[in-house]
Amino acid sequence: GAGVSQSPRYKVAKRGQDVALRCDPISGHVSLFWYQQALGQGPEFLTYFQNEAQLDKSGLPSDRFFAERPEGSVSTLKIQRTQQEDSAVYLCASSRGTGDEKLFFGSGTQLSVL
Amino acid sequence: EDKVVQSPLSLVVHEGDTVTLNCSYEVTNFRSLLWYKQEKKAPTFLFMLTSSGIEKKSGRLSSILDKKELSSILNITATQTGDSAIYLCAVEAGGTSYGKLTFGQGTILTVHP
Repeated sequence: GAGVSQSPRYKVAKRGQDVALRCDPISGHVSLFWYQQALGQGPEFLTYFQNEAQLDKSGLPSDRFFAERPEGSVSTLKIQRTQQEDSAVYLCASSRGTGDEKLFFGSGTQLSVL
Repeated sequence: EDKVVQSPLSLVVHEGDTVTLNCSYEVTNFRSLLWYKQEKKAPTFLFMLTSSGIEKKSGRLSSILDKKELSSILNITATQTGDSAIYLCAVEAGGTSYGKLTFGQGTILTVHP
C-alpha cells in the first residue's frame, strides 16, 4: 500500500474489555514496530517484528499486551482486560529492514478506556 | 537507560521568524539521532544524523549533531504556518534492533500568521 494503515482510528473501551488494533504496513516492508504515545509525551517502543518473528517485546508494559504478525504482513496488537492507564495513541511503523532506520508511521489508533 | 530531553517544550512564533529546537541525549553506544515532525498523529521523518553525517539540510530545515555535547539542534528559517507541529527527537542505540527508538517529549511549535 501507499502508506502504513491502522484501524480503527478511534476505539472507546470499557475498563476490562479486550481490544484488538490492526496495522497494515507498507507492502514489502520487513520490519514492523508498535509504539505507545501517551498524551503530551513522545512515542514509547512496545515491540518489533522482522517478518513474522517477534524479535523484541521488551517494551510491552504487562502480560495483558500481546502482538502478532502471523504471515509477516498485517499485525495485530491485542490488549486484554483494558485499564484506564492503557488510554493512549498506538502507533504502528514499518521499515524496509535493511538497516535503514527511517520508520514510516501510521496515523495511529487512539484508545480511550473509560 | 537511554534518555532524550527536548527544549523548549513549546514555542510560539510569527511567520518569517527563525526557530531553533534543542535535543540532548544519553544513550549507550550511540548509533543515530532522528528528527520527526508530528502533525495530528503520524510522525513523518525529517532527518537522520550519524557519526558519519552530522549535518543535514532540506529547504528551510537543517539539523546538526554535536557528538561531543551529546546534543542536536533543528533549525527552521522563515517559518510558515504549515510548520506548526510537534517536533520529535529520537535516538537509536547500537546493539539493539534497528528502529527501536527512544523519543523525547517533543517541542510543540505554533506559527502564527
